[in-house]
Amino acid sequence: DSGVTQTPKHLITATGQRVTLRCSPRSGDLSVYWYQQSLDQGLQFLIQYYNGEERAKGNILERFSAQQFPDLHSELNLSSLELGDSALYFCASSVGGLPNSPLHFGNGTRLTVT
Amino acid sequence: DQQVKQNSPSLSVQEGRISILNCDYTNSMFDYFLWYKKYPAEGPTFLISISSIKDKNEDGRFTVFLNKSAKHLSLHIVPSQPGDSAVYFCAASEAGGADGLTFGKGTHLIIQP
Repeated sequence: DSGVTQTPKHLITATGQRVTLRCSPRSGDLSVYWYQQSLDQGLQFLIQYYNGEERAKGNILERFSAQQFPDLHSELNLSSLELGDSALYFCASSVGGLPNSPLHFGNGTRLTVT
Repeated sequence: DQQVKQNSPSLSVQEGRISILNCDYTNSMFDYFLWYKKYPAEGPTFLISISSIKDKNEDGRFTVFLNKSAKHLSLHIVPSQPGDSAVYFCAASEAGGADGLTFGKGTHLIIQP
């Protein structure tokens, strides 16, 4: 158990809808990262927050947004969903930023858009 | 353009032998490298890391080797055990980690009894 909690585990929704994925980091970790894993793809970095502030941005679509709250939990909001958004979404946390803090991953949320 | 490449989608090794997983990278700004292991229905689990100032790091049965001139790293598992069967991801980051971790697509390691 990595200590990172993601909810829900599975989510099925229709195109055009909006969903929210939730992540609770390990106790004491200040950084939260979001990754997307599509079929046959590696993990694609979406965005990082550190102590409530956006720290780094990767290949995150404009339809997607995230935030980190004062209690350090984070939410990833996906809107105007398309079939291609179907993927595994992982949250990870670390004590600080890279490079000397390995990321610890949750078990992911599997999103299916129909 | 893939900056981290794992060219072997799968690898089969006999129990007790050495498993060698390879990873190549193209970004010369990468200076921190990690290996993660992933079982089905779970998130990736951190295994071992290496900084670019080193060429080897060892942790129990796991050793990571870094060849900066060749932009190549490898993970050695000795001896291989059935529980090592999983997908292994190579990952890298630049100094400061401004772009998060960049992952390869993974190698599925199968340990044969």
